[in-house]
Amino acid sequence: EAQVTQNPRYLITVTGKKLTVTCSQNMNHEYMSWYRQDPGLGLRQIYYSMNVEVTDKGDVPEGYKVSRKEKRNFPLILESPSPNQTSLYFCASSLGPTVSGNTIYFGEGSWLTVV
Amino acid sequence: AQSVTQLDSQVPVFEEAPVELRCNYSSSVSVYLFWYVQYPNQGLQLLLKYLSGSTLVESINGFEAEFNKSQTSFHLRKPSVHISDTAEYFCAVGLSGTYKYIFGTGTRLKVLA
Repeated sequence: EAQVTQNPRYLITVTGKKLTVTCSQNMNHEYMSWYRQDPGLGLRQIYYSMNVEVTDKGDVPEGYKVSRKEKRNFPLILESPSPNQTSLYFCASSLGPTVSGNTIYFGEGSWLTVV
Repeated sequence: AQSVTQLDSQVPVFEEAPVELRCNYSSSVSVYLFWYVQYPNQGLQLLLKYLSGSTLVESINGFEAEFNKSQTSFHLRKPSVHISDTAEYFCAVGLSGTYKYIFGTGTRLKVLA
């Protein structure tokens, strides 16, 4: 079954304690991305990756890091989380760029609370 | 700058009534248009998309959307909704030739018995 898997699904952490949200896809997609969803703001892109070792900033990259060492994995790293990073996070993947109108496939989301 | 506007944050509607969820976009480049649906506690799923050709596109569960280039709109419609259609719906545009997707802020559809 084609899927994007995120872990953890739910996490409460304290300010400043580094955390990583993992993301893995089994569709051999080149493109992967992270979004955060906040009430009234919709989905905003944090970072994206066009392929292994190729990443770029989205609209709201501050406070986040990513890496793409393997095609299937795209972890999101919060080096020093702050309360304003409390949000619902989605990992997503697609076959390639939107030039072909590629569909995005989303993970089920990770609820992160920073206290 | 490119943007997507969903004019209604919440839409309550009675079961079996018709519904329209509005989406307008602004872009200086060609776009592809998408509607995604998010059921409670789940990720987003593609509902339908417009890439080219016929401006009216349909989903397998009775939704349809029409691309109107002159009005830069891509409104989503269903002639008769079910309780199970209760969800949040997101309009999105993909910018041609890029990796960029822009999402609207979402519309919560609540179907009432």
